[in-house]
Amino acid sequence: AQSVTQLDSHVSVSEGTPVLLRCNYSSSYSPSLFWYVQHPNKGLQLLLKYTSAATLVKGINGFEAEFKKSETSFHLTKPSAHMSDAAEYFCVVSDEYNTDKLIFGTGTRLQVFP
Amino acid sequence: DGGITQSPKYLFRKEGQNVTLSCEQNLNHDAMYWYRQDPGQGLRLIYYSQIVNDFQKGDIAEGYSVSREKKESFPLTVTSAQKNPTAFYLCASRDLKALYNEQFFGPGTRLTVL
Repeated sequence: AQSVTQLDSHVSVSEGTPVLLRCNYSSSYSPSLFWYVQHPNKGLQLLLKYTSAATLVKGINGFEAEFKKSETSFHLTKPSAHMSDAAEYFCVVSDEYNTDKLIFGTGTRLQVFP
Repeated sequence: DGGITQSPKYLFRKEGQNVTLSCEQNLNHDAMYWYRQDPGQGLRLIYYSQIVNDFQKGDIAEGYSVSREKKESFPLTVTSAQKNPTAFYLCASRDLKALYNEQFFGPGTRLTVL
């Protein structure tokens, strides 16, 4: 069965330092992968998506993610954190048998300190 | 503005009562979804619908019901049969004609059972 593992439940960084949020997936085919962000008591906003066109995917707000098939990873990075980046981040894979189903990781809470 | 609206933002219910959460979209999307979010967990799919007057159960449909009488609307009823209904509920939609299957989310409704 497909699954998504977010390796860190919490990540803390200082403003201006790099951000790395780690995600591993399991899938028997080339998956569609997404990163969503959720600010407190808000809905989810799509940051970026991997669709096999390019392994390095650029998203909104300076975020990017690299698809590494050999490592089954799709880590999210940002060169310089901003206070407004503090939120919950979800790594998501599309179910290979049912495109209506998204499989969510358990989330990584990013804290940004001044 | 195109988007998804959910109402109310906060909802309180006494045990034994049914309650209906509203979800409306003006994106002209075919498919709509309901998710439940609990602390420390990813989102779990309750119900989804690809077309008017048709819907399918997700992973945790017990204790919930839906209807899809209009393309724009997909209300969710949390019945008294739902054992632990206190949670954050998110509605989403998707354009079935789009190349990739990302979903767009509403702002959510927080339901608390007293």
